[in-house]
Amino acid sequence: KAGVTQTPRYLIKTRGQQVTLSCSPISGHRSVSWYQQTPGQGLQFLFEYFSETQRNKGNFPGRFSGRQFSNSRSEMNVSTLELGDSALYLCASSFMGQDTEAFFGQGTRLTVV
Amino acid sequence: TQLLEQSPQFLSIQEGENLTVYCNSSSVFSSLQWYRQEPGEGPVLLVTVVTGGEVKKLKRLTFQFGDARKDSSLHITAAQPGDTGLYLCAGGIPSSGSARQLTFGSGTQLTVLP
Repeated sequence: KAGVTQTPRYLIKTRGQQVTLSCSPISGHRSVSWYQQTPGQGLQFLFEYFSETQRNKGNFPGRFSGRQFSNSRSEMNVSTLELGDSALYLCASSFMGQDTEAFFGQGTRLTVV
Repeated sequence: TQLLEQSPQFLSIQEGENLTVYCNSSSVFSSLQWYRQEPGEGPVLLVTVVTGGEVKKLKRLTFQFGDARKDSSLHITAAQPGDTGLYLCAGGIPSSGSARQLTFGSGTQLTVLP
């Protein structure tokens, strides 16, 4: 069974640009959650999608958005990038929701210069 | 406010030693998960504990969920260099959304020296 796939693995962007990250969950999983991980703040929850609907949202500005498609694949978008957005962005999939067993992808390392 | 407190934050030990990592909260969790993460990779799920007082063993790793489901511990026996990594606990908490939100502890960075 294939795991969670995140693309791209690495990304370098310039301040002010926007970026879209992609996540393909484990087959059959309907919940996709996104996290931002930085050395200073640790793993912070961005949002969760379930059956194409945003079910939970963390405390991040509106520049961070996401969506989920009918095949459960998800994308997250960050607009007007800031230097502080540099982080490892992680996607996790689970069958029913975050607090059931969540399986993570390898992440996308975003560097904003 | 940190909902999940992990201790210690850093731990450096010699191969063969035993260690315990703690995960504490004032909140009650429906379940608690432990992960291990290596640099540049995503966290890998080690175990999920659900029942208060539950003990689960995974080879040399022993996980315990507190009776009140507010705390958990991870004990490693005879640590090996391959155990090196960032250990994270995570629990589901009520949120304003329609499902529980998973919150992570700050992590324990374990280094096992040969």
